[in-house]
Amino acid sequence: GENVEQHPSTLSVQEGDSAVIKCTYSDSASNYFPWYKQELGKRPQLIIDIRSNVGEKKDQRIAVTLNKTAKHFSLHITETQPEDSAVYFCAASHETSYDKVIFGPGTSLSVIP
Amino acid sequence: EPEVTQTPSHQVTQMGQEVILRCVPISNHLYFYWYRQILGQKVEFLVSFYNNEISEKSEIFDDQFSVERPDGSNFTLKIRSTKLEDSAMYFCASRGLALAFGEGSWLTVV
Repeated sequence: GENVEQHPSTLSVQEGDSAVIKCTYSDSASNYFPWYKQELGKRPQLIIDIRSNVGEKKDQRIAVTLNKTAKHFSLHITETQPEDSAVYFCAASHETSYDKVIFGPGTSLSVIP
Repeated sequence: EPEVTQTPSHQVTQMGQEVILRCVPISNHLYFYWYRQILGQKVEFLVSFYNNEISEKSEIFDDQFSVERPDGSNFTLKIRSTKLEDSAMYFCASRGLALAFGEGSWLTVV
């Protein structure tokens, strides 16, 4: 089955700097890669996703890149703000609606004012 | 924006007792899931459900667990005889274009 690895496990950046979180996946059939943000005690919230027919997607300060050959994908947050502090989970799935989404172990991001 | 809703938000139960966690998925979603998150750990897949039957289940989802869609709106997770290690946050989710989570039910087994 699918296995998603994620690093770093913790990341601390100064406000205004960029943060990068990297993930790898094992199942070459996976073609949908969402990223979730989870604040303490809250539910995971989808922040961006990418499908395998594109290599990069951007939404304001966040961007994701995908390298299907290497089975790598990354989240980039620019101009970080204190409210970006949270745990970020990458995930992988087949795009069919019924398929389970498998999550990475998470990255705890701290943005220092 | 429609959301997945879950009840209860928090339940404390004694070891060996049965627990039922309830969820109302987003109304036009057809695929439902339960995930578990032990404190400080990752979100783990338990089970997926479609067309009134289980599509897939993980190794965690053993005979103590069951799911049901008793009517047109509710989706439940039952743990028949709780163990201490079942203490976790349980998230219900439903999927349209993307997976949407409920707020979670925090289960504490004592």
